[in-house]
Amino acid sequence: IAGITQAPTSQILAAGRRMTLRCTQDMRHNAMYWYRQDLGLGLRLIHYSNTAGTTGKGEVPDGYSVSRANTDDFPLTLASAVPSQTSVYFCASSDSMGSSNEQFFGPGTRLTVL
Amino acid sequence: GQNIDQPTEMTATEGAIVQINCTYQTSGFNGLFWYQQHAGEAPTFLSYNVLDGLEEKGRFSSFLSRSKGYSYLLLKELQMKDSASYLCATSDSNYQLIWGAGTKLIIKP
Repeated sequence: IAGITQAPTSQILAAGRRMTLRCTQDMRHNAMYWYRQDLGLGLRLIHYSNTAGTTGKGEVPDGYSVSRANTDDFPLTLASAVPSQTSVYFCASSDSMGSSNEQFFGPGTRLTVL
Repeated sequence: GQNIDQPTEMTATEGAIVQINCTYQTSGFNGLFWYQQHAGEAPTFLSYNVLDGLEEKGRFSSFLSRSKGYSYLLLKELQMKDSASYLCATSDSNYQLIWGAGTKLIIKP
C-alpha cells in the first residue's frame, strides 16, 4: 500500500441497506477525515478523527458513523442508506489537525443509493 | 456564518496566465489552502498561505490578504494538463477545512 486507499471504488445500493466504506492509510498519520463531494458544492466534512480511539462530527454527520480502532483504518458506515446519500466519498489523512498540515486524499468511492 | 466564493468556471489559452480568485468569510482563520482536482480523481495539495503575501512555487503562485478575506491562485505558462478544478479551502478555528465549490479551469490550445 502506498498512501491512502479506499474500497469499494463504486457501489450501487438499495435504500435502507447498510454499507461500510473502507479507508486505510500507511503514512502513520494521526488525523483522518471523511468528506462527501456533490456537484456544485464544496467538499463537506462528515466525520473526523484526531487520533486513534477518538472521533468527532463534522458539518454533515447525520446518517453516518465512524470508528478509529487503530491508526491505519477509518471506516465510514451508513446504517440505513437513503437516496440523498448518493455522492462521491473521499477519505483523507494528515499528520495532525494542525493549521498547515496538508491533507492527502484517497481515490474516492462513488456511491449511488436507489 | 462561513462562506467561500470562487468562480464556477474559467477559460484560458495554453501558454497564457490565469488568476483564480477566492474570497472567504469564516469564523476563525488558520490559513488557506489551494488544491487541484482533475476530473474523476482525488484533490491534491498545491499551496498553503497563513501570512499575507505571495508564495511562489514553480509555475503556481498563491496570494493571501487576511484583512480583505481574499486569496488568488496564479498559474503561469498554462499547459493542457492544468485543465482541472481548483479548490480553495480555509482552516477554521478548529483546524477543520471549509471548502469552496471549486473553479473549473478549461485550457484551450
